[in-house]
Amino acid sequence: AQSVTQLDSQVPVFEEAPVELRCNYSSSVSVYLFWYVQYPNQGLQLLLKYLSGSTLVKGINGFEAEFNKSQTSFHLRKPSVHISDTAEYFCAVIHGSGNTGKLIFGQGTTLQVKP
Amino acid sequence: NAGVTQTPKFQVLKTGQSMTLQCAQDMNHNSMYWYRQDPGMGLRLIYYSASEGTTDKGEVPNGYNVSRLNKREFSLRLESAAPSQTSVYFCASSGTVQETQYFGPGTRLLVL
Repeated sequence: AQSVTQLDSQVPVFEEAPVELRCNYSSSVSVYLFWYVQYPNQGLQLLLKYLSGSTLVKGINGFEAEFNKSQTSFHLRKPSVHISDTAEYFCAVIHGSGNTGKLIFGQGTTLQVKP
Repeated sequence: NAGVTQTPKFQVLKTGQSMTLQCAQDMNHNSMYWYRQDPGMGLRLIYYSASEGTTDKGEVPNGYNVSRLNKREFSLRLESAAPSQTSVYFCASSGTVQETQYFGPGTRLLVL
């Protein structure tokens, strides 16, 4: 079965420090990869996505992610976090083979930015 | 342009009661989705509609039914609510099945 694994359920970090949120997916012929952010008591908002082309993808709020096909990973990074980045982050994938548009989500990573 | 709207925002039901969650989008999207979110489990797809007139089961369809009323609206019905259906429900839409999904604000459902 297709799956997405977010390797950390919680990531505490101090303000202005760099952060990496890890995501691995089950291999497929082709994939479309997404990172969503959910602020408390809100819906999900797209941070960035990889469909094709450059493996380094830049998103909103200074986040970026790198698609690594050989390691089946799509880790999210930010060089310097702010208090306002405190939220839950979801990695998600649509597998291109036999695609029906079903987004498969990871379990989520809670980013806690401390002052 | 409101995007994706959901009603109600919060609902309390007793076991066995029925209710319908409403979702509407004003982005002229073809595809619409219903998810549930539970702690530590991410979002799981309940049902989706790839285009007007079609619906398909997702990962966790048991206990739910859906109706794609028209291109804008996609409702989720619980015929006989159970405590296991206590969750936060999100509706989403996308232009096509391969495009970015846009999410509504969610409905918090508590089944006693």
